[in-house]
Amino acid sequence: ETGVTQSPTHLIKTRGQQVTLRCSSQSGHNTVSWYQQALGQGPQFIFQYYREEENGRGNFPPRFSGLQFPNYSSELNVNALELDDSALYLCASFFTGGGHYGYTFGSGTRLTVV
Amino acid sequence: AQSVTQLDSQVPVFEEAPVELRCNYSSSVSVYLFWYVQYPNQGLQLLLKYLSGSTLVKGINGFEAEFNKSQTSFHLRKPSVHISDTAEYFCAVSKYNTDKLIFGTGTRLQVFP
Repeated sequence: ETGVTQSPTHLIKTRGQQVTLRCSSQSGHNTVSWYQQALGQGPQFIFQYYREEENGRGNFPPRFSGLQFPNYSSELNVNALELDDSALYLCASFFTGGGHYGYTFGSGTRLTVV
Repeated sequence: AQSVTQLDSQVPVFEEAPVELRCNYSSSVSVYLFWYVQYPNQGLQLLLKYLSGSTLVKGINGFEAEFNKSQTSFHLRKPSVHISDTAEYFCAVSKYNTDKLIFGTGTRLQVFP
């Protein structure tokens, strides 16, 4: 148990549809980031939220959007899905305490667009 | 801008042999350096990190890495690997503690009996 939970674990969507991926982290995890990991590639930074405000964005189009909520959960929304959006989506929250320092990743959501 | 190069896409090795996974980075500013491991169908687990101080960093599962500023490298080593070490390993950098992570393309470590 990493303290970061993502849902669902797997998802199949049709091209053109919209999808919402969810991430839940523990109290005190004020910074949350989302990454896209295509097959055989390293994770690519999508965006980051700090205290419910976006404070960093990677090279992804506006159809990728997010939200962070006061209860330390967050969402990644993708509109007008394309085949190339098929990937593992990872949520990571930043945490210090108990000897830990740095980002903790969830297990990811595997999105397949057909 | 920062970038990370992992020089080997695959590293095959026999069980109990030593292994080194290479990572070079490019940055005009000081960076933090990380190694993560990813087992099949799972997320990323932090192996170790360099933030400052001693250039030799020890992590979990017997792994260690050495930060070399002059060569801009952060190679990962283990003196004796196990079958269970078979996984994908990612090197990453960030400019500061809560900055985004920039990952390399990964190295697939395959340990054979």
